[in-house]
Amino acid sequence: EAGVAQSPRYKIIEKRQSVAFWCNPISGHATLYWYQQILGQGPKLLIQFQNNGVVDDSQLPKDRFSAERLKGVDSTLKIQPAKLEDSAVYLCASSPGGGAGGYTDTQYFGPGTRLTVL
Amino acid sequence: AQSVTQLDSQVPVFEEAPVELRCNYSSSVSVYLFWYVQYPNQGLQLLLKYLSGSTLVKGINGFEAEFNKSQTSFHLRKPSVHISDTAEYFCAVSEKGRRALTFGSGTRLQVQP
Repeated sequence: EAGVAQSPRYKIIEKRQSVAFWCNPISGHATLYWYQQILGQGPKLLIQFQNNGVVDDSQLPKDRFSAERLKGVDSTLKIQPAKLEDSAVYLCASSPGGGAGGYTDTQYFGPGTRLTVL
Repeated sequence: AQSVTQLDSQVPVFEEAPVELRCNYSSSVSVYLFWYVQYPNQGLQLLLKYLSGSTLVKGINGFEAEFNKSQTSFHLRKPSVHISDTAEYFCAVSEKGRRALTFGSGTRLQVQP
């Protein structure tokens, strides 16, 4: 079974530029997550999708970050414009469950995209 | 809101020695508890999880963890570590009824020969 795919693996941009990350979850997984992992810290949830609807985006800086999940499958996360403090690894994860169940499901993580903002 | 504290940022240990990585959490509601491992240049991988029932949970690669509700802890242990266990270990919680994970800041386990 293929795992969670992310691209690109690395990205270097200058501040005020825009950038986009792509994630393809495990086939059939209803829930998709984007986490931000700043160096020396644990991952922090940015946004959670269930199928193609947003469940939780309370920690997403909406003035510069946006995300969508097309047709309930793959997802893109965009930053526009980027700031120095956005330098981090952006992790995508997926889990099988949706609806009223699935709260105990394991989340499967992709390898991440390392963003450096200069 | 819940939070997770991993008291040790780095734990050096010699090969074949036992190790304990500490994790404490706080939450106003019931939680599920997880340990994830992150090897260099790889994604997070689940080691084990506590959902309910027996407080001693066994995971992959010989790791186990014990849930202690009164101390709000979920410490990770291994009786004998290998060089290949060198990695970053993250404790995480999710509130019942909510899927998203809250992670601790991680503990870097450095196994020395």
